Amino acid sequence: DAGVTQSPTHLIKTRGQQVTLRCSPISGHKSVSWYQQVLGQGPQFIFQYYEKEERGRGNFPDRFSARQFPNYSSELNVNALLLGDSALYLCASSTDGSYEQYFGPGTRLTVT
Amino acid sequence: QQQVKQSPQSLIVQKGGISIINCAYENTAFDYFPWYQQFPGKGPALLIAIRPDVSEKKEGRFTISFNKSAKQFSLHIMDSQPGDSATYFCAARSFGKQLTFGSGTQLTVLP
Repeated sequence: DAGVTQSPTHLIKTRGQQVTLRCSPISGHKSVSWYQQVLGQGPQFIFQYYEKEERGRGNFPDRFSARQFPNYSSELNVNALLLGDSALYLCASSTDGSYEQYFGPGTRLTVT
Repeated sequence: QQQVKQSPQSLIVQKGGISIINCAYENTAFDYFPWYQQFPGKGPALLIAIRPDVSEKKEGRFTISFNKSAKQFSLHIMDSQPGDSATYFCAARSFGKQLTFGSGTQLTVLP
């Protein structure tokens, strides 16, 4: 069975640009969460979606937005990129927003 | 405010030894405590998790010990192997909320 997939694997952007990251959850999972992991730190929660509704939002600026599609895949958008946005962006899925979350391999974003 | 404190930051263990990583939490609403293993360039992989109604859970070489009164929990890796060398994260969550992660422990198992 396929796990959580994310695309692209790596991305290099310039300050001020916009980026869209994509995530496909495990088949049958209806909840997707996004996390930012800065090098050397634990993941920090950005958003959770369940059945296309936003269930939670972490302490991130409005430059960060997300949505979930009818097939439960999700996109994370970041506008007006800053150098500090350079990180590994992780997507995690779960069946119904329950406890067990399974992470994808992440998208490595570098902002220059 | 950091809600989950993890120690040590790094740990070096000989092959066959026991690796112990500790975490402490503040939020008494937490009721689910997973451990994740992360290799360089990969996403975190769920290793083992525990609910506060039990004091210990064992899966293979991995054991979680949980002390509700002290608000602490730990991961024990028995018979540590070089392949266990990775970064380990504890986390905590209350129902309907997001995972809160510790800062991570970089484990090195020497052959």
